[in-house]
Amino acid sequence: TQLLEQSPQFLSIQEGENLTVYCNSSSVFSSLQWYRQEPGEGPVLLVTVVTGGEVKKLKRLTFQFGDARKDSSLHITAAQPGDTGLYLCAAGGSQGNLIFGKGTKLSVKP
Amino acid sequence: DTGVSQNPRHKITKRGQNVTFRCDPISEHNRLYWYRQTLGQGPEFLTYFQNEAQLEKSRLLSDRFSAERPKGSFSTLEIQRTEQGDSAMYLCASSISAGHSSYEQYFGPGTRLTVT
Repeated sequence: TQLLEQSPQFLSIQEGENLTVYCNSSSVFSSLQWYRQEPGEGPVLLVTVVTGGEVKKLKRLTFQFGDARKDSSLHITAAQPGDTGLYLCAAGGSQGNLIFGKGTKLSVKP
Repeated sequence: DTGVSQNPRHKITKRGQNVTFRCDPISEHNRLYWYRQTLGQGPEFLTYFQNEAQLEKSRLLSDRFSAERPKGSFSTLEIQRTEQGDSAMYLCASSISAGHSSYEQYFGPGTRLTVT
């Protein structure tokens, strides 16, 4: 069974701080997605990483795919209250579906 | 492009009743997925369609659940004889079926089901 483990589960920080969240697995993936979800809404796709070692930037968010394509990280620089939400990593499953981690719940206090 | 839409956004029903949810995908997307999400968990796969064909079903999808996509456009998910354990957010997503792009799934806002 493919599992994606995300850490930390919860993170509460002050505005302006930097943070990193992690997504780890024992399986190798052809691609990995990061989503952000706000309460009562569906997940919103942030990025897809495909190549081992790949780094993608989206404004203050930096995503990295591990060299072995088993893990990924998301780094946020100078977090803002608008970054608050549930950050989910996901990867392709054997049935054509996405398998999701449990997410990291981020709270950024002003 | 209006994105993926789902109706209703919220549904409260009594145990034993049947409920039906609708999903309208992004128009050029040929794949449509249903997921279920409970508190503290990521979305869990239920089933997906490519055009009108239902290609995969999770073992989570009991006999009380049925999904259709009759013309390859919108889809419905019906739950018969609802149980309290069915209370969850039901999410619909769509994608195109080309390599890695099939994993770039775009989600609707979800239908929150509460079974009392």
